[in-house]
Amino acid sequence: EVQLVESGGGLVNPGGSLRLSCAASGFTLNNHKMNWVRQAPGKGLEWVSSISSGSNYIYYADSVKGRFTVSRDNAKNSLYLQMNSLRAEDTAVYYCVRVGSGDYFDYWGQGTLVTVSS
Amino acid sequence: QSVLTQPPSVSAAPGQKVTISCSGSSSNIGKNYVSWYQQLPGTAPKLLIYDNDKRPSGIPDRFSGSKSGTSATLGITGLQTGDEADYYCGTWDSSLSAVVFGGGTKLTVL
Repeated sequence: EVQLVESGGGLVNPGGSLRLSCAASGFTLNNHKMNWVRQAPGKGLEWVSSISSGSNYIYYADSVKGRFTVSRDNAKNSLYLQMNSLRAEDTAVYYCVRVGSGDYFDYWGQGTLVTVSS
Repeated sequence: QSVLTQPPSVSAAPGQKVTISCSGSSSNIGKNYVSWYQQLPGTAPKLLIYDNDKRPSGIPDRFSGSKSGTSATLGITGLQTGDEADYYCGTWDSSLSAVVFGGGTKLTVL
């Protein structure tokens, strides 16, 4: 059974940093592109970042470019999102998402809440 | 403001059919596959349709997808109260080099 479990969310001051982790199980991580998608309270889905299976291709939404860094450790079956210079508008549930054989998101984690507030 | 445009809400009676539209442009829907996601209240999104019109295993054939030009449509027949959810379309935008989503459509089954 495919499972994606996020961790590392919490309350952080504006300007602070946080590192999210995603533990993958039930499949071979290095066969899949992975993404982070976020959802602000009461709002829609917003794509954050994408990383290819071998970390060769990495993309970011303009809203996080220069502040967030995605990485992965296939040997540890883990995906990460380093978030720096956090702003109030980064407050959201962050989902770890697996990409299927095409460009669609076939499995989603349960999400971890990040709250940026003083 | 989302790159893909969806109606904020749709509604229909149980047993009826509803369609949800997703409008984009030549750089996203016009060039790439569309997927649809269902988000039940308080839960993570779930893949409903991929590659425009394909259903993952376990998704009933009451759900269908189609694409024409720069627009896509999700259809749901035989509506059930359990279908009440937010529905999102998504695709890759080749000009932005980014995944783009619609703003979401809230389905109410009256």
